[in-house]
Amino acid sequence: DAKTTQPPSMDCAEGRAANLPCNHSTISGNEYVYWYRQIHSQGPQYIIHGLKNNETNEMASLIITEDRKSSTLILPHATLRDTAVYYCIVRAQHNTDKLIFGTGTRLQVFP
Amino acid sequence: GAVVSQHPSWVICKSGTSVKIECRSLDFQATTMFWYRQFPKQSLMLMATSNEGSKATYEQGVEKDKFLINHASLTLSTLTVTSAHPEDSSFYICSAPAADSYNEQFFGPGTRLTVL
Repeated sequence: DAKTTQPPSMDCAEGRAANLPCNHSTISGNEYVYWYRQIHSQGPQYIIHGLKNNETNEMASLIITEDRKSSTLILPHATLRDTAVYYCIVRAQHNTDKLIFGTGTRLQVFP
Repeated sequence: GAVVSQHPSWVICKSGTSVKIECRSLDFQATTMFWYRQFPKQSLMLMATSNEGSKATYEQGVEKDKFLINHASLTLSTLTVTSAHPEDSSFYICSAPAADSYNEQFFGPGTRLTVL
């Protein structure tokens, strides 16, 4: 699976959009971009995934560049409960495949 | 979404004892489950893939004789830390993919193990 690079930490004001970047320059054609987050002392939670088109669900939006070498997770209106570590993971699409976690981005939402 | 539970949520044990951690898929069946370990301020590290009815597949560097995995049914996988030592103190998390969810995996809430 391709490696990902994320900034170690970011801050965001409550109510503002949080934009979390991820670089995956070695992504291959059959690999998807997945985002999970982990709130302190809990198990990770799935957020969203995509292949090449932008995706949106009730939690977030995922913007993938045309060359697919990078992506951005957008939390449109961050709340204090969005404070967590966000992991960008690249893998082929099959849910029985293992997930390899990188270091992630620690997002701190402040009042 | 599908629910994965773990038991116990935390455990404290003496050095040299063995500890069993259970991972259950509550509303779906899982032929595959994954076990992770997480040390403070670090990312999740995959330990092994648990396969129902067959042997687990361990990641490089993980001692299979120390971390025994049993996946005896489609809803239960267990991880036994044998002869636990203080360096085994960690947060253990399991995950399972649901058959009707092609893309995501569901994670348990984790088990915090402290070895004295």
